[in-house]
Amino acid sequence: AQRVTQPEKLLSVFKGAPVELKCNYSYSGSPELFWYVQYSRQRLQLLLRHISRESIKGFTADLNKGETSFHLKKPFAQEEDSAMYYCAPPGGSQGNLIFGKGTKLSVKP
Amino acid sequence: DSGVTQTPKHLITATGQRVTLRCSPRSGDLSVYWYQQSLDQGLQFLIQYYNGEERAKGNILERFSAQQFPDLHSELNLSSLELGDSALYFCASSVADSNQPQHFGDGTRLSIL
Repeated sequence: AQRVTQPEKLLSVFKGAPVELKCNYSYSGSPELFWYVQYSRQRLQLLLRHISRESIKGFTADLNKGETSFHLKKPFAQEEDSAMYYCAPPGGSQGNLIFGKGTKLSVKP
Repeated sequence: DSGVTQTPKHLITATGQRVTLRCSPRSGDLSVYWYQQSLDQGLQFLIQYYNGEERAKGNILERFSAQQFPDLHSELNLSSLELGDSALYFCASSVADSNQPQHFGDGTRLSIL
């Protein structure tokens, strides 16, 4: 079964500090990985997908197939980045996503 | 606004009851997904429909069922409700049935008393 691991439940940093939210996955095919963000129990919003190689709100994520990782990074955290972040690889041949437990990012002033 | 509409926003009911949650996908999206988010279990995939047909099943209980109608809206039926079914239920939609970003609705918050 496909799995995703987000090892940190909570990550607390100060404003302006670099942030890295870790994600490791197990997937046998060629993965299409996503990061979603959820502010205060609102709906999940797509933050970025690896295939587009975009930078959204200053966040980037690089797929490392050798380490099966897709860590999310931002060089300078902002208070408005405080939210839950979910890494989501595909669930298999179907379209559903497998969500990790999520990492709560708290950016302190 | 994601374009995915879920109703109702909140639902309060008692154990043993049955409820129906409704989802309208984004215009043009053929796939609908249902997820359950609870404090202890996190986000769990329940079921997926693509163009009216069931495509994938996750951790969906036998007491739960869903369907997607010809106009592509979907309903999730929860019956014989238990206290542990209290959760936020999200619907998401995507254009195709795999490897596409999913767009989430605002969720239905279900509280079982």
